[in-house]
Amino acid sequence: NAGVMQNPRHLVRRRGQEARLRCSPMKGHSHVYWYRQLPEEGLKFMVYLQKENIIDESGMPKERFSAEFPKEGPSILRIQQVVRGDSAAYFCASSPSRTSGYYNEQFFGPGTRLTVL
Amino acid sequence: DAKTTQPTSMDCAEGRAANLPCNHSTISGNEYVYWYRQIHSQGPQYIIHGLKNNETNEMASLIITEDRKSSTLILPHATLRDTAVYYCIVRPRSNDYKLSFGAGTTVTVRA
Repeated sequence: NAGVMQNPRHLVRRRGQEARLRCSPMKGHSHVYWYRQLPEEGLKFMVYLQKENIIDESGMPKERFSAEFPKEGPSILRIQQVVRGDSAAYFCASSPSRTSGYYNEQFFGPGTRLTVL
Repeated sequence: DAKTTQPTSMDCAEGRAANLPCNHSTISGNEYVYWYRQIHSQGPQYIIHGLKNNETNEMASLIITEDRKSSTLILPHATLRDTAVYYCIVRPRSNDYKLSFGAGTTVTVRA
């Protein structure tokens, strides 16, 4: 059973360009979470998505960042007009379901390391 | 809003047990203690979790004090591959999907 897949693993962009990060959840998982890890810091929650729905985007910067999880295909984290401060590792996690009263384990992908020149 | 306090770093000899402490003095009754680790250049990996009883799985053991204000993660026989940053996280029993990672403890296992 393949784990969470993220691509690309490394992405280099110049200031002002767009960055698209992809995440394929584990088979059977319909919940996707994105986290950002700035250099020398812990992971910070960005957004939680189910198929075709954004459930919680409270951790997303208000501008330039967007996320989607279409009915078909991977989840996409999109960063428009990147700036140097966007340089970070972006991790995706997936879980099978969220049953009331129980925690469903989040399985993390290997991350995409974005470098903005 | 640091809910947990962990030492910044610790060393451990290969083959010996590694005991990683975590203080969570403000933990509430409905919050679990979770441990994750992050090996360099990889995503976080779940290790173990518990509420008030001690827990053991194939990776580690978790000892939670009776007052639940602190806990210890035990890696029984550390190997070089256990070198990683270890995160102690408290989470409510209800669905709180926002995992909050602090700075963690950088554990270095030495041969």
